Amino acid sequence: NADVMQNPRHLVRRRGQEARLRCSPMKGHSHVYWYRQLPEEGLKFMVYLQKENIIDESGMPKERFSAEFPKEGPSILRIQQVVRGDSAAYFCASSPDRSNYGYTFGSGTRLTVV
Amino acid sequence: QQQVKQSPQSLIVQKGGISIINCAYENTAFDYFPWYQQFPGKGPALLIAIRPDVSEKKEGRFTISFNKSAKQFSLHIMDSQPGDSATYFCAASSNRQNTDKLIFGTGTRLQVFP
Repeated sequence: NADVMQNPRHLVRRRGQEARLRCSPMKGHSHVYWYRQLPEEGLKFMVYLQKENIIDESGMPKERFSAEFPKEGPSILRIQQVVRGDSAAYFCASSPDRSNYGYTFGSGTRLTVV
Repeated sequence: QQQVKQSPQSLIVQKGGISIINCAYENTAFDYFPWYQQFPGKGPALLIAIRPDVSEKKEGRFTISFNKSAKQFSLHIMDSQPGDSATYFCAASSNRQNTDKLIFGTGTRLQVFP
């Protein structure tokens, strides 16, 4: 897999529903980062994970948001009880190690809360 | 102190001209300064990056100038082309932390007219 794969590309949820965003890192990459981009703004760091470990979640809202990167399978960003303010583009990036050279972003999931 | 300030917000350049985007930071622990290019509906793609031990880095038509004492860095796009029309983000990170999270600027929307 040459690319960071995110799905779905577009997700529409009603207020109060749950949103699950998936990220499959590039082959050989064991570090995953999630960022959120609000309209007309830059990307904001949310969380950094390695396989089965959360390394830095300093950018995650304290409630309703969680992330995991299991031993097998994609990384999941989960948003419970979505509100309109959660509408944004969510990007994940992966890298092979802790250096910041091989930081590759996926195409994002655009979440719309109606 | 974690902010990266970027200007201008938007930029219009004629084909063949030079596009210049500026960024400033406060945190002296930052030691990695990448620039990302983002097209509509896509994720950010790494364009060029610099570390503070050099004052300039050039790759093709793209040059980063870095002024450590002023805590500023800029992207210069020479011979700008319509295909360069995109949003550009500067970013910064520190390898001294236990994370490689990137702090992004707010972006510059570049339009290059033929």
